Amino acid sequence: DAGVIQSPRHEVTEMGQEVTLRCKPISGHDYLFWYRQTMMRGLELLIYFNNNVPIDDSGMPEDRFSAKMPNASFSTLKIQPSEPRDSAVYFCASSFRNQAFFGQGTRLTVV
Amino acid sequence: SQELEQSPQSLIVQEGKNLTINCTSSKTLYGLYWYKQKYGEGLIFLMMLQKGGEEKSHEKITAKLDEKKQQSSLHITASQPSHAGIYLCGADPTSGTYKYIFGTGTRLKVLA
Repeated sequence: DAGVIQSPRHEVTEMGQEVTLRCKPISGHDYLFWYRQTMMRGLELLIYFNNNVPIDDSGMPEDRFSAKMPNASFSTLKIQPSEPRDSAVYFCASSFRNQAFFGQGTRLTVV
Repeated sequence: SQELEQSPQSLIVQEGKNLTINCTSSKTLYGLYWYKQKYGEGLIFLMMLQKGGEEKSHEKITAKLDEKKQQSSLHITASQPSHAGIYLCGADPTSGTYKYIFGTGTRLKVLA
């Protein structure tokens, strides 16, 4: 298995634009997590899914953020409209029971 | 809310020296995970501890979880430049939710 695959690896966008981050979890994993990492706040859990169903989205900072998981092999995190303070590295992770496996992350820069 | 405190925040050691990184929680943990991250990359799983008093080793890295399951330590013996990176502890604070939270990380630099 190629592991958790995220795209794009880097994204630079202008303030106000819509940004969509993509994630392909490891096949057979039933949990999927979206994290955001910044120097100030470290690694924060935004939302997680179990069997494609959102379980806890209490970490999503604002209504500008939304996440979907239409099937077991794909998830998206969307920011609309984007703001400079959204600049961070966004990680997707998947797990089956314990031991979460992380993707390489998407480095988002909003200018 | 559940928080994980890591110490030290950063560490610089000479190659060959031993070092310890600590991770402390104010509440009992139901799973403690150690990850390593290199700049610009994702997190690499190192070890998972679940039972109080548990200890695991992999190559030159040993992790322990105390009996109360509120504190863990990661010990590296005879450090090498390849050990450099950011070490993060993560935990499942509530049994069965898999809502993993993470410490702020310890940045390790090993001087050759």
